[in-house]
Amino acid sequence: RKEVEQDPGPFNVPEGATVAFNCTYSNSASQSFFWYRQDCRKEPKLLMSVYSSGNEDGRFTAQLNRASQYISLLIRDSKLSDSATYLCVVGTGGYQKVTFGIGTKLQVIP
Amino acid sequence: GAVVSQHPSRVICKSGTSVKIECRSLDFQATTMFWYRQFPKQSLMLMATSNEGSKATYEQGVEKDKFLINHASLTLSTLTVTSAHPEDSSFYICSARDLKVGSSYEQYFGPGTRLTVT
Repeated sequence: RKEVEQDPGPFNVPEGATVAFNCTYSNSASQSFFWYRQDCRKEPKLLMSVYSSGNEDGRFTAQLNRASQYISLLIRDSKLSDSATYLCVVGTGGYQKVTFGIGTKLQVIP
Repeated sequence: GAVVSQHPSRVICKSGTSVKIECRSLDFQATTMFWYRQFPKQSLMLMATSNEGSKATYEQGVEKDKFLINHASLTLSTLTVTSAHPEDSSFYICSARDLKVGSSYEQYFGPGTRLTVT
């Protein structure tokens, strides 16, 4: 079983739609959780950290479920500019070594 | 804030030569930097953890004699790919964490270096 699993997609959604991604992790000792966004042939950029209480940033909402070991990302009112690959990232250990999921590709279509 | 630079952004070299990639944290100090590699349509794979003033910690399967890491200061880490081969062609990305107390565990990524070995 992979440490961090994501559905690679692609998810093709129309503008204005709501889309949700899930990610599962295998290490119950994981301590930090993030969603990163990666555009084609570019470096990942932090989208948001994921806290136990969940957090929201504009159209983006992230949730953490420790019991089931998954995190989610909800994007409301999708924009064309949201088209990218969304990486689930899980941190474990003293140096907070992180493990990346393969990423979920989102394509928002007009 | 939290800007990480990498140089060069793109490099083409001949098989058997060595290539050095620099990673700098521009506006913060980082005792720990990470080096990743990403092949097309695959996730980022951690190669090694670079610790300022000490030896790097390599992930399983990564040859430390081939991928030399030097973390000379709190703002600079270098990765040298020695005796490069075409299979080393990849996107190499570094990241760094902010050292200051109270900072979160987010990592900030450099823009990456695309290495092509001919």
